[in-house]
Amino acid sequence: ETGVTQTPRHLVMGMTNKKSLKCEQHLGHNAMYWYKQSAKKPLELMFVYNFKEQTENNSVPSRFSPECPNSSHLFLHLHTLQPEDSALYLCASSQEKVGSGGPVHNEQFFGPGTRLTVL
Amino acid sequence: TQLLEQSPQFLSIQEGENLTVYCNSSSVFSSLQWYRQEPGEGPVLLVTVVTGGEVKKLKRLTFQFGDARKDSSLHITAAQPGDTGLYLCAGNSGYSTLTFGKGTMLLVSP
Repeated sequence: ETGVTQTPRHLVMGMTNKKSLKCEQHLGHNAMYWYKQSAKKPLELMFVYNFKEQTENNSVPSRFSPECPNSSHLFLHLHTLQPEDSALYLCASSQEKVGSGGPVHNEQFFGPGTRLTVL
Repeated sequence: TQLLEQSPQFLSIQEGENLTVYCNSSSVFSSLQWYRQEPGEGPVLLVTVVTGGEVKKLKRLTFQFGDARKDSSLHITAAQPGDTGLYLCAGNSGYSTLTFGKGTMLLVSP
């Protein structure tokens, strides 16, 4: 049982397709994240949204386009991807402290991921 | 750039054995988290350690944060097949992002 859901769980697309990944969190958190997980590499942070505002973009290629319409939903729009973009894409959420609310431990809750294969 | 090195990268043991995995860095973290990820799923938070020298126990799992808050270890006693998974450590430097290690893949055979 998880408070973060992702759809679809599996996606196969060609390099010319356009698709979107969806993430929804039911935890009342105010921050959401997209990560890329590839074999034998650490989790790569792609985008961070705090209170619906994008606060971090880790030099991600423009063929990945995030959208955060509200604090519960996060999308990752994909277009003209490359085979090397094949990976597990994970969404996570956390409750960020506001102001001087003490140390930020940033405990993150992950969805099950979307396994993406680009042909 | 902060890096977290995890060792070993892969560990295959028999049920009932004890094991320790390590997470090391040259950077200081305000807190460190351990996650377990099972095949086809996302990581699940196991514990957060905050104070240098802190030890936390979760059933058969014992987590320790180094005195200097640069390293951590996870010890599993009497491992069971249900412990199989990828163990990830993640360091928090007080900002809104985490630094993850590559993980230790643990396989526990019956």
